[in-house]
Amino acid sequence: EDQVTQSPEALRLQEGESSSLNCSYTVSGLRGLFWYRQDPGKGPEFLFTLYSAGEEKEKERLKATLTKKESFLHITAPKPEDSATYLCAVQESGGKSTFGDGTTLTVKP
Amino acid sequence: NAGVMQNPRHLVRRRGQEARLRCSPMKGHSHVYWYRQLPEEGLKFMVYLQKENIIDESGMPKERFSAEFPKEGPSILRIQQVVRGDSAAYFCASQREGQGSNQPQHFGDGTRLSIL
Repeated sequence: EDQVTQSPEALRLQEGESSSLNCSYTVSGLRGLFWYRQDPGKGPEFLFTLYSAGEEKEKERLKATLTKKESFLHITAPKPEDSATYLCAVQESGGKSTFGDGTTLTVKP
Repeated sequence: NAGVMQNPRHLVRRRGQEARLRCSPMKGHSHVYWYRQLPEEGLKFMVYLQKENIIDESGMPKERFSAEFPKEGPSILRIQQVVRGDSAAYFCASQREGQGSNQPQHFGDGTRLSIL
């Protein structure tokens, strides 16, 4: 069965303090690894898709990387508005996605 | 281009009643997924549908739960004889291409179901 494990569960940073979130996965037939951002009371908002090991994607202060077993979401010089829960998901060849439990990021001004 | 629309946003039911949750996918998207999210937990897959077909229902309880995505109209997640444990946020996501697509899923803002 596909498994996705995210760490840490919660992360508190000072504004400007860079860090990384981890997503470890086991899946048969990976079709894609996805990162989402979820704000309280909202649905997940799509951030990135990564398809193969070595791939990297960037958007503003966020950069996602992928290896054969894990993905990292790097946050450079975060701001309070980056506070949210970040979800990682893997999609298998059948179409179904398995989500991790998320990392809740709090950025203090 | 409107996003995924879910309604109602909040639904309160008493034990034993039926709950119907609706999801209209993004324009041009023919595949719909339903997920359940409990507080402080991630999204748990329930069912994957395309128009008039259930592709994968492996995450949906065998009893009381059903889902459909008719040729016309929204996708419906139906929960019969609700119990307290059904209280959760239910999210719908839609996707552009066919089965096995590696395109991202786009989510609605969910329906928060509370059982009294």
